[in-house]
Amino acid sequence: GQQVMQIPQYQHVQEGEDFTTYCNSSTTLSNIQWYKQRPGGHPVFLIQLVKSGEVKKQKRLTFQFGEAKKNSSLHITATQTTDVGTYFCAGPVGTSYGKLTFGQGTILTVHP
Amino acid sequence: NAGVMQNPRHLVRRRGQEARLRCSPMKGHSHVYWYRQLPEEGLKFMVYLQKENIIDESGMPKERFSAEFPKEGPSILRIQQVVRGDSAAYFCASSSTGTAEQFFGPGTRLTVL
Repeated sequence: GQQVMQIPQYQHVQEGEDFTTYCNSSTTLSNIQWYKQRPGGHPVFLIQLVKSGEVKKQKRLTFQFGEAKKNSSLHITATQTTDVGTYFCAGPVGTSYGKLTFGQGTILTVHP
Repeated sequence: NAGVMQNPRHLVRRRGQEARLRCSPMKGHSHVYWYRQLPEEGLKFMVYLQKENIIDESGMPKERFSAEFPKEGPSILRIQQVVRGDSAAYFCASSSTGTAEQFFGPGTRLTVL
């Protein structure tokens, strides 16, 4: 079936190091969304990418959408302890746009 | 401007009982989604509703699970005759349109004893 795969599953970094998580879909996506979930919390929307090759920045976070609209990445520059959490990508897979298929998530741990 | 509200936040049920989870979407949002999350796993889509209509229920188990979003009042996810495998966090999300970003509620943590 249609899937959204995300790697790595876990990432441990020292504070100040960079971090990247990658997302791949088995099918072309109309858009891709990124969410962050803190431990014990709920997913919080970060950004939505729609255009092929799109790049968006939010302070230390850089989001990219691949040219084929089948992959995406999230890069965090100079991580801080407040960046800890699980980062999910999600895309509408199937005929109803509202149905989001989430990747498995990347759990980021930042060591001070 | 309240966000998505869910209650209860924690629910404990014994096997065979019924669980009712409620979700009030953000003001102005008519699209509601339910997701299930097991510990250290991703979110699994269950159902997508838009005021009184089920748009997509392809992620709902065929038996014991049902969802509604009445004209008035919150959306309800109902699980009948719960089993231990139903223990999970259930998140509700809402959006203004079917393609807009989804805003999540705090979730209901269901524990089945």
